[in-house]
Amino acid sequence: EAGVVQSPRYKIIEKKQPVAFWCNPISGHNTLYWYRQNLGQGPELLIRYENEEAVDDSQLPKDRFSAERLKGVDSTLKIQPAELGDSAVYLCASSLEGYAGNTIYFGEGSWLTVV
Amino acid sequence: KQEVTQIPAALSVPEGENLVLNCSFTDSAIYNLQWFRQDPGKGLTSLLLIQSSQREQTSGRLNASLDKSSGRSTLYIAASQPGDSATYLCAVRKGETSGSRLTFGEGTQLTVNP
Repeated sequence: EAGVVQSPRYKIIEKKQPVAFWCNPISGHNTLYWYRQNLGQGPELLIRYENEEAVDDSQLPKDRFSAERLKGVDSTLKIQPAELGDSAVYLCASSLEGYAGNTIYFGEGSWLTVV
Repeated sequence: KQEVTQIPAALSVPEGENLVLNCSFTDSAIYNLQWFRQDPGKGLTSLLLIQSSQREQTSGRLNASLDKSSGRSTLYIAASQPGDSATYLCAVRKGETSGSRLTFGEGTQLTVNP
């Protein structure tokens, strides 16, 4: 079974440019997460979806970040315009909530460098 | 606000040693705790998940324990191998319901020398 798939893996952009990341979760997983991880730190939640609904977006910088999860499957995270401080790894994860395991599975990440 | 601390930040051991990684959290009202491994340039791989009602979980050479009341978890790695070199992160899920936020520690960077 395929894991969480993210693209692109690496992206270098100039500041003020837009960038978008795509995530395909594990089939059947109803919950999808976007995390941001800065170098040497643990990931921090940006947004969590349950099916199509964003149920926790309190840490998403809404002035420049946006996300959507169409049809409760794939998701896109967008940054516009990007700033130097946005350089980080953007991790997508998914889980099947309501199941006793509740294990969260992560993708390989999208590595963003803003220059 | 839940805070998760991992000690030590970095650890270097010779191959074959048994080792313990520590994780502490400030709010004991957790749903579960999960240990992850992260290789350089990669995403996170789930190692073990302990529900709040459990005391420990084992997978191969890995054993994770949970003392919810004292806000501590340990990850024990037996007979360490160079392939175990990675960053190990613990994360706690808040509250009594599934689907709530996962809070991560900053990780322990482990190097196992051949």
